Amino acid sequence: KQEVTQIPAALSVPEGENLVLNCSFTDSAIYNLQWFRQDPGKGLTSLLLIQSSQREQTSGRLNASLDKSSGRSTLYIAASQPGDSATYLCAVSRGSNYKLTFGKGTLLTVNP
Amino acid sequence: DAGVIQSPRHEVTEMGQEVTLRCKPISGHDYLFWYRQTMMRGLELLIYFNNNVPIDDSGMPEDRFSAKMPNASFSTLKIQPSEPRDSAVYFCASSLLLDGWTQYFGPGTRLLVL
Repeated sequence: KQEVTQIPAALSVPEGENLVLNCSFTDSAIYNLQWFRQDPGKGLTSLLLIQSSQREQTSGRLNASLDKSSGRSTLYIAASQPGDSATYLCAVSRGSNYKLTFGKGTLLTVNP
Repeated sequence: DAGVIQSPRHEVTEMGQEVTLRCKPISGHDYLFWYRQTMMRGLELLIYFNNNVPIDDSGMPEDRFSAKMPNASFSTLKIQPSEPRDSAVYFCASSLLLDGWTQYFGPGTRLLVL
């Protein structure tokens, strides 16, 4: 059974810092990996999707990398802003059937 | 577009009562997903539909849980009878076949069973 772990569970940084969020998964036979953002009291918003054949994806100040062999992904946020404060979740899929296994997330607080 | 709509946003009920959660997916989307989120277990997929047909319900925890999608614009998740351990936030999400990996989530229904 696939297990997804995110460390740390919570992270607090001052505005302007670059930071890295970590995600690890136990079964390397994944189809793809996604990073989501969840704001308090709201649903999830998809940020980045990395196919199993890719090594990284970038969107603005966000960069996600994938190392299937080691079962790890990182989400890099450059020049963090208070508006980046949210919970970030990663999710992996095993096949092309749209079933996702989620980590429990990292709660990020960016202090002004 | 209004996005995925869920109702009610909050529900408080007593153990043993029937609970019905509702979801309206984004118009034109052909996949619909029901998730449950708790502190202990995180976000779990309960069931998903394609073109109104249930494809995988292996995440439904017990027979007390049932889900239906009578048409492309409406789905329900029912818990009967409810128990305190069912307390959680329930999310509905929808996606389009051509962009199936991008799931659009609703705001969730926060359920508390006393």
